[in-house]
Amino acid sequence: GNSVTQMEGPVTLSEEAFLTINCTYTATGYPSLFWYVQYPGEGLQLLLKATKADDKGSNKGFEATYRKETTSFHLEKGSVQVSDSAVYFCALSDPYSGGGADGLTFGKGTHLIIQP
Amino acid sequence: EAGVAQSPRYKIIEKRQSVAFWCNPISGHATLYWYQQILGQGPKLLIQFQNNGVVDDSQLPKDRFSAERLKGVDSTLKIQPAKLEDSAVYLCASSTGTLNEQFFGPGTRLTVL
Repeated sequence: GNSVTQMEGPVTLSEEAFLTINCTYTATGYPSLFWYVQYPGEGLQLLLKATKADDKGSNKGFEATYRKETTSFHLEKGSVQVSDSAVYFCALSDPYSGGGADGLTFGKGTHLIIQP
Repeated sequence: EAGVAQSPRYKIIEKRQSVAFWCNPISGHATLYWYQQILGQGPKLLIQFQNNGVVDDSQLPKDRFSAERLKGVDSTLKIQPAKLEDSAVYLCASSTGTLNEQFFGPGTRLTVL
């Protein structure tokens, strides 16, 4: 079956540091890949996505590239801010192998803490 | 535009009792999902509806969980009887179609004692 593995947290960084959160996946077909974010006291929201190999998703200074050869979708940001403190979830959807069902398979989440 | 609405926000019950959660998706969203998020884990899909039909319920524990989406709009998720391990946040999400962004509600936090 499908699965997502992401680095355990919490990850603590200083403001303006470079961020990488690792994510690898296992899928039977050709999944689409996502990063969702949950800010304190808020609901889950989509951060970025990529639908095919070598696609790069980007939003709010965050980027992730769909690497089929390494089955990875690592999240990066060049200079983090205190406001980036949140829980980040890597996820995949594989509707073409699941009869059209596009429910998300999530990783466990990575808690990111940015210190001023 | 109003977001996904869920109620109640919190619920505490004893094991073996029944509980129901309600979800109102974003207007016009044909696809509705229920996820279960246990503390420290990512959300797990329980069921997906397209309009009022079930697309995927392969991970729904059907001996105790049931869900319906009458008229293709609101949905209810029921647990009967509840077990201790059902303590979790139950998230509802909706989207306009396959691989489109899923919009999540605030969730219902269930505690089973």
